[in-house]
This record gives sequence, C-alpha cells and structure tokens, in this order.
Amino acid sequence: DTGVSQNPRHKITKRGQNVTFRCDPISEHNRLYWYRQTLGQGPEFLTYFQNEAQLEKSRLLSDRFSAERPKGSFSTLEIQRTEQGDSAMYLCASSLLLGQGGSPLHFGNGTRLTVT
Amino acid sequence: EDKVVQSPLSLVVHEGDTVTLNCSYEVTNFRSLLWYKQEKKAPTFLFMLTSSGIEKKSGRLSSILDKKELFSILNITATQTGDSAIYLCAVAGYALNFGKGTSLLVTP
Repeated sequence: DTGVSQNPRHKITKRGQNVTFRCDPISEHNRLYWYRQTLGQGPEFLTYFQNEAQLEKSRLLSDRFSAERPKGSFSTLEIQRTEQGDSAMYLCASSLLLGQGGSPLHFGNGTRLTVT
Repeated sequence: EDKVVQSPLSLVVHEGDTVTLNCSYEVTNFRSLLWYKQEKKAPTFLFMLTSSGIEKKSGRLSSILDKKELFSILNITATQTGDSAIYLCAVAGYALNFGKGTSLLVTP
C-alpha cells in the first residue's frame, strides 16, 4: 500500500494525558498536512510542512498541540494535557508541490482520538 | 477570514435522480477548488478546478468553477446507492479550507 498511513487507528486516553500520532506520507510527496475533523464538520486545518519546514499553523491551534517532521518524511502530532474537546478524527494528508494551483491532497484513514 | 460554504447540508434522493451540490467561497489568494467524497474514512479526491468555465467530468460526476461569482457546482447524474457519502468542497488559498460538506443519501 503506497497511500498515506496513520498510526494508531484509534486512541482512547484519559483527560490530562499526552498523546502522539504518526503519519507516513506518500513517499515522493513533499507537503504534509494535519487536519482535525469532528462529526458534522469538514476537516479543519491544523498545520502543514513543506519538507521538514513547518510553514503554517492555524491561529486556532492551542499551544498544547505540536507537530514535527524531522527528516522531511514522516510526521508526528503531539497533544499535551488532553481535554475532552480534543476528541476528534485527526487526518493527515500529503501532496506534491506542483504549479500555481497546487496538487490534490491525499488523505490517510485518520486517527480517532477519544478523551475520557 | 477564508470561508467555504456548501449547500444543501443534506439531501435525500432516489436512485436515478440527478443532484447538484453547491459550494461558494471567499478566500485570499485563490489557487484552486477541490471536491472530495468521504464515506466512512478518509476523503477521496474527485476533482481539482483552477479555471473558470471548464467542466471536469468523471463518469456520472462533473464539476465546474465560476471564479467571477466565486462558486462551484458538483453534479451527479443517474445516482446510485453507492454515491451515498459526504461531499466536501475545499478551496486552496494559503491553506486548504474545507466546507462542512453535503451529506447525500441515495435510496433504492
């Protein structure tokens, strides 16, 4: 399977704990994105990387959230001191940097986080 | 602030009907508009539109963009139960911003 891979698929944690998710993008893609999706909503942009550089971060993103892409390949998203409001599906996507219009994002199957 | 508004939010049709889904947007530095289909898991890519007035077509699905009026439509003809899904519109400005989606249910 050469698509975007996310681990774990599901994570249940207690409020106040830290969690970390991993995303492996399509190998030749240089852009990697993190989104969050809750029921009845479209995906909400969190942050994105071009190679190893984090180029943009949503203003709505709490300081408890941090993302890394240390070697420009896989990425991790960490949430510290989780809150019940963090419960959501966390989606990773990757794309090529191509031309003015960009190129489509290809999504992974997501990590579903439940904070109890 | 960038905005993407989809309508209707939900729709129920019978197999064989034709549906039109709408997406309007306000975005800084528009680059492209994309349509995705989301069933139970990841959104899957349908179309990317960058130019006004050029229809993109794939089987029973087609889409067109109007950059002057800032909207796009997604048409599905001869709907099938397998078309039941959430259809997401996203606009690429500085980031890719999604609408809330249109939930389509096609009944037998």
